Order: sequence, then structure tokens, then C-alpha cells
Amino acid sequence: EPEVTQTPSHQVTQMGQEVILRCVPISNHLYFYWYRQILGQKVEFLVSFYNNEISEKSEIFDDQFSVERPDGSNFTLKIRSTKLEDSAMYFCASSVDVDWGYTFGSGTRLTVV
Amino acid sequence: KNEVEQSPQNLTAQEGEFITINCSYSVGISALHWLQQHPGGGIVSLFMLSSGKKKHGRLIATINIQEKHSSLHITASHPRDSAVYICAVSPQGAQKLVFGQGTRLTINP
Repeated sequence: EPEVTQTPSHQVTQMGQEVILRCVPISNHLYFYWYRQILGQKVEFLVSFYNNEISEKSEIFDDQFSVERPDGSNFTLKIRSTKLEDSAMYFCASSVDVDWGYTFGSGTRLTVV
Repeated sequence: KNEVEQSPQNLTAQEGEFITINCSYSVGISALHWLQQHPGGGIVSLFMLSSGKKKHGRLIATINIQEKHSSLHITASHPRDSAVYICAVSPQGAQKLVFGQGTRLTINP
């Protein structure tokens, strides 16, 4: 069964450093998403991406965050200057269409120290 | 007020019991999703529904659009069903999911 692949599975970074989280969505999917889950809290939407541009973003997704699909297969989330409160599990997801089911990756656990 | 509320937050049952998890939402939706999250953190999609009822193995999901309510049922529960079950909705016109806080289910042998 096709999978959404995320790397790395765990990343530790120092406060103020830039991090890039990587995702390979399912190849025939057209919509791509990033979500995050702070430990003990519910999953929160960050951003959706369609047709090579951001289609929707949340209040969390401020100027410190950016997304890119650099080569037609990878989908990346960049955090420019990490804060302690960015520590969370980050999930990538993709779907064929906005009203179709989602496939989630296994997540990247980001720890900012 | 949360747009998606689940109950109960925690549920412990004995193997073989019939399980029901409830989800209420307050916005207009195009679809409702039931998801499963295991201790390792990964999220697996179980159902997406916009009306009626769906069944997959021992899992059954129902939705009542008029009442803005959905239920997830597990028949003949098994310890391997232990996980967090999450309800999420696709608000009309939006390209995102809004998640509930999850229900932690523990099935004891």
C-alpha cells in the first residue's frame, strides 16, 4: 500500500536554529498538508499546499514557517528560527482531492533544546 | 468552544466488550474522519464519511448530519484495539482537518 514517508523520525535542535522536515507524499496525490501535535494536545492544522502554492494556512503558520515542493516528489516544512514551543510531532499528509481520504506519514518528533 | 468534541476522553474495557466513542461538531462539514493513533504516534485513517454508516471488519462508523454527531463502534474488542481514536472534520469550503482531542481506549485481556 502506498505510504507517505517522513524523515527524519526524530530531530533535536538548538533554539534559534533552522530545521527542515521532509516528506515524500504519495505520487498521484495533489494536496499536501502539515499538521503538528504538541505532547498531550490535539493535532493542529498548519498548512495545505496545492498546485505549487499554499492554499490555506493557520494562525500558527507565521513568518517563521515555510513550505516548498522543490522537485515534484519532496514536500518540506522549514522552521527558520526554532523556539522551545515548536517542540512537537509534525505530521505530513497527502490526499488525491480535498474531499478524499488522507494518508498520514509516521511523523517527525522535533525537540528544541 | 472546541469545534469538535469527543466523549469519553478515556475508556477502559474488557476484551470482547462492545465499544462506542462519540463525536459532536459545531460547524458545517463536507466529511468526517475517524483516525487511529498508536503509542508510537503514527496516524492511520479508519473512515471518511459524509452520510449514513460504514463498516470495516469489527469497526462501524455512523454519522447524523442533522444532529452533527458521529459514533465509532468496535465489536468484540481486543487488546490490539488499544489506541487513541480521533474524530476530525473537514469544514465546508476548507482544505484542512479540524481534530478532536481524541479518546484513549484501553482493552484489557
